Amino acid sequence: KQEVTQIPAALSVPEGENLVLNCSFTDSAIYNLQWFRQDPGKGLTSLLLIQSSQREQTSGRLNASLDKSSGRSTLYIAASQPGDSATYLCAARFYNQGGKLIFGQGTELSVKP
Amino acid sequence: DTAVSQTPKYLVTQMGNDKSIKCEQNLGHDTMYWYKQDSKKFLKIMFSYNNKELIINETVPNRFSPKSPDKAHLNLHINSLELGDSAVYFCASSLGTRSALEQYFGPGTRLTVT
Repeated sequence: KQEVTQIPAALSVPEGENLVLNCSFTDSAIYNLQWFRQDPGKGLTSLLLIQSSQREQTSGRLNASLDKSSGRSTLYIAASQPGDSATYLCAARFYNQGGKLIFGQGTELSVKP
Repeated sequence: DTAVSQTPKYLVTQMGNDKSIKCEQNLGHDTMYWYKQDSKKFLKIMFSYNNKELIINETVPNRFSPKSPDKAHLNLHINSLELGDSAVYFCASSLGTRSALEQYFGPGTRLTVT
């Protein structure tokens, strides 16, 4: 069964700290992995999409990595700000699944001023 | 410009009622999806349509019936609503079904069944 797991469920850090969010998946036949941000009561904002042929993707202060062999992806946030506080979700697409996303449970991030 | 829009944003109704949620995308995409986010914030796919054809139908009660009148619209009709249907329902779209393509999500519809 293809599953995606995110640990921890919640994380609190002081402003300015660099941090890493973790995502693991059970099937190495992954097509790509997408990181999202969800603010309370809001929809999902796509942050980064990393293909299976790539090892990392960067956008501003965000860097996502993908290691198929170990079944892991990380989202690195540099110099965190209070505005980064949100729930971060990772979602994987696997081969022959019609493009559907399989989501992790999310990590709720709180950045304290 | 709203890329993927959903109506209504909030829906409060009683058990046993029938309700619909509408989704529209103006991105020119031909694949649309419905996801359900439960009270524990876990998101799970329900349905996917490509060019008005159903391509993904997860284990969802047949009280849920998606309808796609055209490529830009995917509506979700729910019959005989139950308390357990309370959740946030997200619509999404992508350009085709190829797994390489990014999905764009709507703002969600928060359904509360009392």
